[in-house]
Amino acid sequence: SAVISQKPSRDICQRGTSLTIQCQVDSQVTMMFWYRQQPGQSLTLIATANQGSEATYESGFVIDKFPISRPNLTFSTLTVSNMSPEDSSIYLCSVRLTGGGLIRYEQYFGPGTRLTVT
Amino acid sequence: QKEVEQNSGPLSVPEGAIASLNCTYSDRGSQSFFWYRQYSGKSPELIMSIYSNGDKEDGRFTAQLNKASQYVSLLIRDSQPSDSATYLCAVNKLAGGGNKLTFGTGTQLKVEL
Repeated sequence: SAVISQKPSRDICQRGTSLTIQCQVDSQVTMMFWYRQQPGQSLTLIATANQGSEATYESGFVIDKFPISRPNLTFSTLTVSNMSPEDSSIYLCSVRLTGGGLIRYEQYFGPGTRLTVT
Repeated sequence: QKEVEQNSGPLSVPEGAIASLNCTYSDRGSQSFFWYRQYSGKSPELIMSIYSNGDKEDGRFTAQLNKASQYVSLLIRDSQPSDSATYLCAVNKLAGGGNKLTFGTGTQLKVEL
């Protein structure tokens, strides 16, 4: 597996503001993903962060609301823009490791960012 | 019909017993299957992956896959109080869905002394 860190670990923000969440991995990875886990719910994929190109968003998520950057193979950011209380959630980045000549689809998660919007 | 379904629980088992967690999925094109453990306030931790029909054992954990029945399960032998957590089933679809993992809503397991 990989060591994945996220910053900040938690934040309380006012509605209408934006927060950028950082995800750092200790090794180069091809695939990075951003998920949301709302209170008491399971994980929902927001987007796949593509290195060197625009992120691929899932249905219901748009770039204007959740802009994503992926400047290199070890780092990505997710911004939650113009926040409302409905954006209160845990935001998680995950990575898919490759190597050894095998195609594997396991994903490993960072510790998460707990966001509260007031 | 949800893409990945799990009984939300809670599933209560006594310490030392076998816990059996079940998951069904709707897309026959699904290729790989995962079990994650999530403690309260923590992020999901991968504990098992299975790609082929049959059983896969790792320590006290056994994953079972039956693609014909679209069913995957996780058995935890000699359950310990530290196994108390929510267990998430995840399914990966390759065709069209790319590398997307779809998660079930999770089953809460409580191991009682």
